[in-house]
Amino acid sequence: RKEVEQDPGPFNVPEGATVAFNCTYSNSASQSFFWYRQDCRKEPKLLMSVYSSGNEDGRFTAQLNRASQYISLLIRDSKLSDSATYLCVVKGQWGQNFVFGPGTRLSVLP
Amino acid sequence: DVKVTQSSRYLVKRTGEKVFLECVQDMDHENMFWYRQDPGLGLRLIYFSYDVKMKEKGDIPEGYSVSREKKERFSLILESASTNQTSMYLCASLPGQGFYEQYFGPGTRLTVT
Repeated sequence: RKEVEQDPGPFNVPEGATVAFNCTYSNSASQSFFWYRQDCRKEPKLLMSVYSSGNEDGRFTAQLNRASQYISLLIRDSKLSDSATYLCVVKGQWGQNFVFGPGTRLSVLP
Repeated sequence: DVKVTQSSRYLVKRTGEKVFLECVQDMDHENMFWYRQDPGLGLRLIYFSYDVKMKEKGDIPEGYSVSREKKERFSLILESASTNQTSMYLCASLPGQGFYEQYFGPGTRLTVT
């Protein structure tokens, strides 16, 4: 089983739609969680960290369920500019070992 | 703004050649990483370095080595390139303990023929 798994995608949604991405991780000792965004032919960039209490940044909401080892990202009112691949990233307690999921591609259609 | 640069965007090498990929960051970050990214597999860590001359193996170090002689520069070396090393290589840097945002370079698309 892979350490970090994500919805395989791609997700094709119309503008204005709400879309949710799911991510599961296998290492229960993982401590920190993130969502990165990667545009086509570009490098990944941090979108948001994920906190136990859940957190929101504008149209983006991230949730963490430690008991189920599950992370989610919700995008409301999708924009064309949200089209990208979304990477789930998990960090263990020690060291600098960040584990990336394979990513889920989103295409927002006009 | 943090800037991470990589020596080449595209590189074509022959099987058996020695290949050097260079990465430079301009923000005095302690940690630097080399990943490769392949479709369906995501980013996989090859090596990382937490200080000058210090390095740790990642998940897939076989066939690679690294060098960090100066804090700002982290080099990835393919001693004898093989076709299964054709990939996108991404370098990243991270300020230090307690910081979690990695800053990535633009990537080097390496093709080994």
